[in-house]
Amino acid sequence: EAGVTQFPSHSVIEKGQTVTLRCDPISGHDNLYWYRRVMGKEIKFLLHFVKESKQDESGMPNNRFLAERTGGTYSTLKVQPAELEDSGVYFCASSQDLRDRAAFFGQGTRLTVV
Amino acid sequence: GENVEQHPSTLSVQEGDSAVIKCTYSDSASNYFPWYKQELGKRPQLIIDIRSNVGEKKDQRIAVTLNKTAKHFSLHITETQPEDSAVYFCAASKNTGGFKTIFGAGTRLFVKA
Repeated sequence: EAGVTQFPSHSVIEKGQTVTLRCDPISGHDNLYWYRRVMGKEIKFLLHFVKESKQDESGMPNNRFLAERTGGTYSTLKVQPAELEDSGVYFCASSQDLRDRAAFFGQGTRLTVV
Repeated sequence: GENVEQHPSTLSVQEGDSAVIKCTYSDSASNYFPWYKQELGKRPQLIIDIRSNVGEKKDQRIAVTLNKTAKHFSLHITETQPEDSAVYFCAASKNTGGFKTIFGAGTRLFVKA
């Protein structure tokens, strides 16, 4: 079974540019989550999709962040325009059963804004 | 707001010794507590979890305990091995008002051979 896949693995962009991160969840997993870990701190929740619908987006930092999951399969997280404080590792996770909140993580995308 | 405190931030043990990582959570409605292990350069992986209707769970060398009254939960690793070296994250979530998981800041465990 293929795991959660994220692209790219690393991205270095300049302040003010746009970056789009992609997450392919495990096939059949309706639940998809985005998280971010900044500078060795906790992994912070960003949002939760159930299929194509945003179930909870309370963790999104501001309106420079836009997440989509068209068709309920893969998801994208766009940052526009990027700021220095957006640097960190962005994780995606998916689960089939809501009792398993975020059982399978992707390898993360390390975003560096310079 | 909701938060999870995790201690210690760094833990160094000799191979064969036990390691204990402790977490506290603030939201009394939390009912699911997973633990993740992240090895260097790899993805966080779920290693064990516990639900609020259980006080303790064990899987080979790892065990978790939950004290709902005190809002504490802990990870215990016995007979540590060098391959146990990693960052461990505790987390808490609930099934009301959304399903987001709140993570601790992580514990970097070093097991010295």
